[in-house]
Amino acid sequence: LAKTTQPISMDSYEGQEVNITCSHNNIATNDYITWYQQFPSQGPRFIIQGYKTKVTNEVASLFIPADRKSSTLSLPRVSLSDTAVYYCLVGDGANSGYSTLTFGKGTMLLVSP
Amino acid sequence: DAGVIQSPRHEVTEMGQEVTLRCKPISGHDYLFWYRQTMMRGLELLIYFNNNVPIDDSGMPEDRFSAKMPNASFSTLKIQPSEPRDSAVYFCASSLASGQGISNTEAFFGQGTRLTVV
Repeated sequence: LAKTTQPISMDSYEGQEVNITCSHNNIATNDYITWYQQFPSQGPRFIIQGYKTKVTNEVASLFIPADRKSSTLSLPRVSLSDTAVYYCLVGDGANSGYSTLTFGKGTMLLVSP
Repeated sequence: DAGVIQSPRHEVTEMGQEVTLRCKPISGHDYLFWYRQTMMRGLELLIYFNNNVPIDDSGMPEDRFSAKMPNASFSTLKIQPSEPRDSAVYFCASSLASGQGISNTEAFFGQGTRLTVV
């Protein structure tokens, strides 16, 4: 099972860029990297997904180096409403091609005024 | 689509009682997941289904837990008998797999059922 390691918590201020890095040394060839966001009392919500290099959407960017052993979620100009727990997920690389969505501990991001 | 719908949103029951949690996945999705979340253990995958068939139930904590998916639009998670340590938020999620497996698909989560066993 591909394990992920993230910082437990991070602090930031409104308007700053936040980068959360996730380590996944055992990532398998077929695995994608996915980030979810969870607010209190809600289910996790998909943010972004990538396989290699850089992916950008309307809310975030995902940077993945060539060795794919880590990834960085970048949130530009955070606001108070970005305070949440952020999870990095990779597949378990099962040869069957089907893998589970296994969540780690996540990173608690606190954005202050 | 209304998204993944779970019921009830809150459940308070006495120890020893049977509890049934319900989930309606997004129409057309072929994967369904049940998760449990607590402060101590975080988000734990209990079981997941593919095309209504249970694929991996290794996360189900004990024989007191059971899950069924009688059709593509409905799933239940049952706890019998319930215990105080089962108190948690239970989430259901669904996804539509691509040809490369579910690790590269977006899962949609319901609002969860907050279970309290007293």
